[in-house]
Amino acid sequence: QKEVEQNSGPLSVPEGAIASLNCTYSDRGSQSFFWYRQYSGKSPELIMFIYSNGDKEDGRFTAQLNKASQYVSLLIRDSQPSDSATYLCAVRGSSASKIIFGSGTRLSIRP
Amino acid sequence: DGGITQSPKYLFRKEGQNVTLSCEQNLNHDAMYWYRQDPGQGLRLIYYSQIVNDFQKGDIAEGYSVSREKKESFPLTVTSAQKNPTAFYLCASSIWRGPLNTGELFFGEGSRLTVL
Repeated sequence: QKEVEQNSGPLSVPEGAIASLNCTYSDRGSQSFFWYRQYSGKSPELIMFIYSNGDKEDGRFTAQLNKASQYVSLLIRDSQPSDSATYLCAVRGSSASKIIFGSGTRLSIRP
Repeated sequence: DGGITQSPKYLFRKEGQNVTLSCEQNLNHDAMYWYRQDPGQGLRLIYYSQIVNDFQKGDIAEGYSVSREKKESFPLTVTSAQKNPTAFYLCASSIWRGPLNTGELFFGEGSRLTVL
């Protein structure tokens, strides 16, 4: 079992709709959870991080964490063509500095 | 400006040669990381270091070596033992302890290695 799992996609969403991205993890001691966006050929950039169960909102983005079910999700409201990218879920496990990434979900926003 | 500098951006290597990728940061971060990314894939952890003169293997350390002699520097050597070295290599740093510890990774622009 992979430590961090994501559907690879591609996920195609019409412009203006909500995009929903999911991630599961295997280490129950995991402490922190991150969503990064990566455009082709570029470095990842942080969108959001979340530590506690529940929802965390930042503009059009909402991160949701459920530690009991070991999943974290990212919702993107009012999707824009500029949101088309690969979204990487990352988890900081019980070893405080080791950070593991999922394989990423490719998101495509169609006009 | 504070940040992470990776060099070279592009590198070509003949089979059987070792090559060293440079990573320097001036963010005063304790932790540094090396990840490998293959086309259409996520990031896989090669090595990471929490403190000077100490580092740990990640999930794919075979065929790679690192050193951490200074806080600012974490070079990665891709040895001839690495069977498929062609990839995009990303260096990152973070604060991993203390009140500012969010765990956020700050990335360099990456080094693209091609083995001919």
